[in-house]
Amino acid sequence: DAGVIQSPRHEVTEMGQEVTLRCKPISGHNSLFWYRQTMMRGLELLIYFNNNVPIDDSGMPEDRFSAKMPNASFSTLKIQPSEPRDSAVYFCASSFGSSGREKQFFGPGTRLTVL
Amino acid sequence: GQQLNQSPQSMFIQEGEDVSMNCTSSSIFNTWLWYKQDPGEGPVLLIALYKAGELTSNGRLTAQFGITRKDSFLNISASIPSDVGIYFCAPTNFGNEKLTFGTGTRLTIIP
Repeated sequence: DAGVIQSPRHEVTEMGQEVTLRCKPISGHNSLFWYRQTMMRGLELLIYFNNNVPIDDSGMPEDRFSAKMPNASFSTLKIQPSEPRDSAVYFCASSFGSSGREKQFFGPGTRLTVL
Repeated sequence: GQQLNQSPQSMFIQEGEDVSMNCTSSSIFNTWLWYKQDPGEGPVLLIALYKAGELTSNGRLTAQFGITRKDSFLNISASIPSDVGIYFCAPTNFGNEKLTFGTGTRLTIIP
């Protein structure tokens, strides 16, 4: 079975450029989560969707960040314009259900470097 | 706001040693999760605890949900090289999909 798929695995860009990270959740899962991991802040939730609807985006750092889930099998996290402090590993995770006790399956992450 | 403290921050042990780490929170939770992150990968769920006082094992891993519902510990017995990685606690409550991860315990095994 395919797990959560993220692309690209690595992204290097220059400050000011637009960055789009992509995620394909596990088929049948109805919740999707975007996390960011840095040494300073650890692993933090940015936004999550349930049935393609954004439920909580309180973790999104600022307006430069936006996320969409146009259908059950695809989500994007966009940063425009990117800044060096956005450098981090971005994870996508998915789960089935909404009780909070469902196992979240994480993708391999996208390592973003903004120069 | 909620405070979540995970300790120790890092551990350097020899193969075969036992490992113990814990998480404490300023808030009460009814679910405690423990995740492991291998180098270059995303976190993977190891153990889930749903009841105060619950003690659960998964192979060489044992985790307990504190009676106060504000803490949890994870033990690893007879460590092996593949135990290397970062271990995170992630408490939550039923009905809440949001996970708040602890700061992590980085486990290194010295040859």
